[in-house]
Amino acid sequence: QKEVEQNSGPLSVPEGAIASLNCTYSDRGSQSFFWYRQYSGKSPELIMSIYSNGDKEDGRFTAQLNKASQYVSLLIRDSQPSDSATYLCAVNSGYALNFGKGTSLLVTP
Amino acid sequence: DAGVIQSPRHEVTEMGQEVTLRCKPISGHDYLFWYRQTMMRGLELLIYFNNNVPIDDSGMPEDRFSAKMPNASFSTLKIQPSEPRDSAVYFCASSFHPRRINEKLFFGSGTQLSVL
Repeated sequence: QKEVEQNSGPLSVPEGAIASLNCTYSDRGSQSFFWYRQYSGKSPELIMSIYSNGDKEDGRFTAQLNKASQYVSLLIRDSQPSDSATYLCAVNSGYALNFGKGTSLLVTP
Repeated sequence: DAGVIQSPRHEVTEMGQEVTLRCKPISGHDYLFWYRQTMMRGLELLIYFNNNVPIDDSGMPEDRFSAKMPNASFSTLKIQPSEPRDSAVYFCASSFHPRRINEKLFFGSGTQLSVL
């Protein structure tokens, strides 16, 4: 069973703070890693992808990957109330994505 | 392109009834995926197709579930007979070549299924 684990939260951060979301995975053969954001009642939307060890930055978002530790994280700088959503970590194992159950993020004004 | 189109958006049915969910993938995408999302289990892969051929159906929970893709622009997920525990949001997604690094998965809007 290829597992993707996330803390369910909720993670509550004040507006303007850094939100840190974490994910671990079990399949050492995984090559690609993704963070999807899902608003309540909506479908998941891709916000970041990463496949090399280290950091990848895109605007306020930074994805971090450590394949040796089988660990992926997402940092959201200057968090806004509009960032309040569930964040899904996804790992590419073969042709399909395996998703974690998601971490609920609440950014309070 | 209009994106991945699913229908219906909402389906309410009674236990024992047949339910058919429909999906039109993005034109040109070779891969189509069916996922189910619940609070308890998160987003689970049910089955995926490549060029209309089912490749991996190991996630299909029971024989009550079946999926078909008769052509490149249409897929169905059928539940017969339906049970209350099938209540969930069912997502269809498509992509061009998922093994390419950073290949994006495009999701439809989902079908909210309630089995009473």
